[in-house]
Amino acid sequence: AQTVTQSQPEMSVQEAETVTLSCTYDTSESDYYLFWYKQPPSRQMILVIRQEAYKQQNATENRFSVNFQKAAKSFSLKISDSQLGDAAMYFCAYRSEAPAGNQFYFGTGTSLTVIP
Amino acid sequence: GAGVSQSPRYKVTKRGQDVALRCDPISGHVSLYWYRQALGQGPEFLTYFNYEAQQDKSGLPNDRFSAERPEGSISTLTIQRTEQRDSAMYRCASSLGVGNQPQHFGDGTRLSIL
Repeated sequence: AQTVTQSQPEMSVQEAETVTLSCTYDTSESDYYLFWYKQPPSRQMILVIRQEAYKQQNATENRFSVNFQKAAKSFSLKISDSQLGDAAMYFCAYRSEAPAGNQFYFGTGTSLTVIP
Repeated sequence: GAGVSQSPRYKVTKRGQDVALRCDPISGHVSLYWYRQALGQGPEFLTYFNYEAQQDKSGLPNDRFSAERPEGSISTLTIQRTEQRDSAMYRCASSLGVGNQPQHFGDGTRLSIL
């Protein structure tokens, strides 16, 4: 089974600054999808950004961007101009492309604190 | 509905009782997933369905846990003879099930076993 590792249990960033959350994964597959989810104190799970493994271009969604390094199996999330509302748990997730492999694998999460 | 709906939002029951947790996915979503999430942890996979077929139940902790999705839409997760260690947030998610389509999560059912 694939594994997803988030090595930073907690991170903090000053408001308006930039922070990078790391994620690595282990797989033998060549085609797959990667996601970052945000879980604020309300405990909703909110999709932040997604990346297809076959795309070399890094995904970007407004202040959120990823650094996808396929050979290194790394998928970090960069948050620019951090805002107080960005404070949350962030989960990295992997999904196989294989037809029978619809399962998502989640990391253990990184708790982000934004300091005013 | 607009999103994934789970009911009840909160369930408190005595040890030994059976509980049934309901998930109503987004209309048209093929795949439905059940997770358990402890506070401060990531979602722990339990099982998932494509349409009415249970594709993978490897995450179910033991045979007291079961799930069904008889008509390919609403799903029920049942826990029999509940134990205190079953206390957790139980989350349902649905997805179109193909390509880069993400999972959409419900707000969860907070289960407390006394």
